This record gives sequence, C-alpha cells and structure tokens, in this order.
Amino acid sequence: GENVEQHPSTLSVQEGDSAVIKCTYSDSASNYFPWYKQELGKRPQLIIDIRSNVGEKKDQRIAVTLNKTAKHFSLHITETQPEDSAVYFCAASPGVNSGYALNFGKGTSLLVTP
Amino acid sequence: DAGVTQSPTHLIKTRGQQVTLRCSPKSGHDTVSWYQQALGQGPQFIFQYYEEEERQRGNFPDRFSGHQFPNYSSELNVNALLLGDSALYLCASSSGYEQFFGPGTRLTVL
Repeated sequence: GENVEQHPSTLSVQEGDSAVIKCTYSDSASNYFPWYKQELGKRPQLIIDIRSNVGEKKDQRIAVTLNKTAKHFSLHITETQPEDSAVYFCAASPGVNSGYALNFGKGTSLLVTP
Repeated sequence: DAGVTQSPTHLIKTRGQQVTLRCSPKSGHDTVSWYQQALGQGPQFIFQYYEEEERQRGNFPDRFSGHQFPNYSSELNVNALLLGDSALYLCASSSGYEQFFGPGTRLTVL
C-alpha cells in the first residue's frame, strides 16, 4: 500500500520567515495530494491540494509543489504568522481507483514565534 | 449549511464493549470516509462508504464495521473494544477528491 513520509516532525520559525514541509510517497498511482492544518483539539482543515497534472499551485501565502518523477511534494508558507502555528499533515491518494482514500503522513508541528 | 457533524463528542467505554459512532456529511456529499487518529499521529484510513456500500477498506480488523444510510449519513461500529482503540475517530465527507472532516469523536477505552 501507499506509504507517505513527512519531514520535519517539528519546525520552529520566527514570524515573517518562510516554512517548508516535505513529503514523499511510494505509490506511483497516487495522483491527488492535499495538505491539512489541524489546530489543537480541532478537526483537520484542507488548506491546499494539488493533482498530478499540475506542478505547482499557490493560494496567497501558501504554495504546494509536486515532483512526480521523484515522488515528493512540499508545502511552502511565506510570511509566517503566529496563527499559522498548528500541526500540518500531507496526504496522498490514488484517486478514483481507491475511492480517493487518503494516506497521511505523521504530521509536522509548526511553531511560529513572534 | 451545516458542515460535517459527528456524535457523540466524547465517549468512555470499557474493554470488550461495543460502540457506535455517527456522522452526517456535508450537504451535497454522497461519500463518507472514516479515519482513526491516535495521539500525535496522522489519521489512518478505516473504510469508505458510497451508495450504501463499503467501497474501500484500510488495514483494520473485522471488529470495525460500518453502514451508510440512504440519506448518506454513516455509522462506525467497533466490537470487542481494546485499549488500543482509544483514539479520535474522524469522518470525512466528499463528492470527489476533496474530503472535509467532522470534529471527531474522542473514544477512551478503559
């Protein structure tokens, strides 16, 4: 089955700096890659996603890049703010062939200090 | 429009008991997936329901079963509870790629 690895497990940055979280996946059939933000005691929230026919996608301060050949994708957050502090999860899905089941990484705890 | 809702919020059971968790999907969504999230870990896929059938299943034992109703709501049943079943159980609804999560049910097994 699909195996998603995520690094780093913790990340501490100063407000205004950029943060990068990286994930690798094993199943070459995976074609959908969402990122979720989970604040303490809250539900995971979809913040951005990318499909395999796209190499990069941006939404204001967040962007995701995908390298299908190398089987890795990354989340980039620019101009970080204290409210970006949360646990971020990457996921991969083989899409319709698996009913879009998501395989998650173990998460990155991001701390943005003022 | 309500988002994904789950009940109950918290639940405490003892080993060997059975539990039923409930999920109502976001309006317009016809697919419900269930995930187990242990403390400090990412969600793990249990199974997914579409058109009242289990469409996909993750690596969970048969003690975990589910159901989807004609109104697309869903139940997760766990029999013969083990201490290791203590976790946050999340359901997610979708109508395609994007999955939206409910607030979860925190299950504690004593």
